[in-house]
Formats: sequence, C-alpha cells, structure tokens
Amino acid sequence: EDKVVQSPLSLVVHEGDTVTLNCSYEVTNFRSLLWYKQEKKAPTFLFMLTSSGIEKKSGRLSSILDKKELSSILNITATQTGDSAIYLCAAGNNRKLIWGLGTSLAVNP
Amino acid sequence: GAVVSQHPSWVICKSGTSVKIECRSLDFQATTMFWYRQFPKQSLMLMATSNEGSKATYEQGVEKDKFLINHASLTLSTLTVTSAHPEDSSFYICSASPTFLAGGETQYFGPGTRLLVL
Repeated sequence: EDKVVQSPLSLVVHEGDTVTLNCSYEVTNFRSLLWYKQEKKAPTFLFMLTSSGIEKKSGRLSSILDKKELSSILNITATQTGDSAIYLCAAGNNRKLIWGLGTSLAVNP
Repeated sequence: GAVVSQHPSWVICKSGTSVKIECRSLDFQATTMFWYRQFPKQSLMLMATSNEGSKATYEQGVEKDKFLINHASLTLSTLTVTSAHPEDSSFYICSASPTFLAGGETQYFGPGTRLLVL
C-alpha cells in the first residue's frame, strides 16, 4: 500500500531557529514529491521535486529529494512566527497525490 | 496566477438535505480537478478525481451516489453531498491542475468549504 510518513508530527521552536522537516514515501510509479503549507484554510503550494539531489529554494525555505532513500526534507531557516502552520508532504504517482499526516510547526516569539 | 475559488465557504444544513459546493479555476483551465475531505487533525483524504467532460473516478470507499461530482467545463467542478447526515460534516477542499492525469503534478487548492450537518 502506498504511504507517506512525516516526522516529527509536531514541533515547537523559538523565532530565529532553523528547522528540518522530514518526509519518507513508499509509492508505486512515483513521479514527484510536493510540499504544501496549511494554515487555517486550504494548503498552499511550496515546492515540487522530481529530481534527486537538486535543492529548490524560496526565501528562507528550501527542500531536496533523495530518491535513493525515498525521502525529502524541508528546511526553514531563521524561523518567524508567520511560519507557524502544518507542513504537508505528498508523493505523486501517475494518478493522484498520497498525503502524509503533516508536521505541525509552532514558532514562538 | 493559479487561483482556485470555492463557494460557499461555510454551510450549515439540516440532515437529509443536499448541499452543492462549487470549485472554480479563475485564471487557468483546469483539465483535472480533485475533491478532498479533511477531518480535524487529519490529513487530506482524496475522494475523487474528475477530468472535464468525463465521469469522475472515485476512491475506494467513497459512495458515488452520495457524493455527486460534475466537471462540466474547464473552469468549474461541483460536488453535491446528497441527503447529508451529521457524519458528512467535514472540511471539503477542491484542487485543480491544468494537466491531464495530474497525479504527480502541482495541484492548486481552493480555500475549502466547511460543512456542518445538524
């Protein structure tokens, strides 16, 4: 059965800290790994990764895929209170996205 | 770009009534649309995938007669919860992609609809 596992489930840090969120997957016909940020409403897109070892960056956020280890990490540097959210990882095959349970991040001032 | 809207944002209805939720892609043509539901503190659960002009593909365990999906145009899909019951109360989210067979492609999400059935 296809599955995506995220860790940790929950994380509390202070502003300015750097965090690393983990995602591992077992998906048949894997095509891509996507990261989303969910605050109170629906998820907003962060990254889509298809190639192993190539880092994608957007401001203080970056992500990389390791197809050998079937995993991905999402890094957030110099965290701010506005980064508090649930971060969702999803692995896509040719038909749908398989979602992890998310990592709940709380950044305290 | 890639904006998806949903209507309504919130709906409260009596048990036994039907509720229609609309999902629109505002600035792109959505070849594929996905409908999800999400319970509190749980991840997104895919209900069905629809391609414009064809029947929706439902996930295992999702009743197609209860959750009617229509993807009549490249910018609009609707989900109708028929004869809603309290256990149907949930957060329903649609997403859209300009790509056919968009499983591994970026999906753009609507803001979601909270349904409460009394």
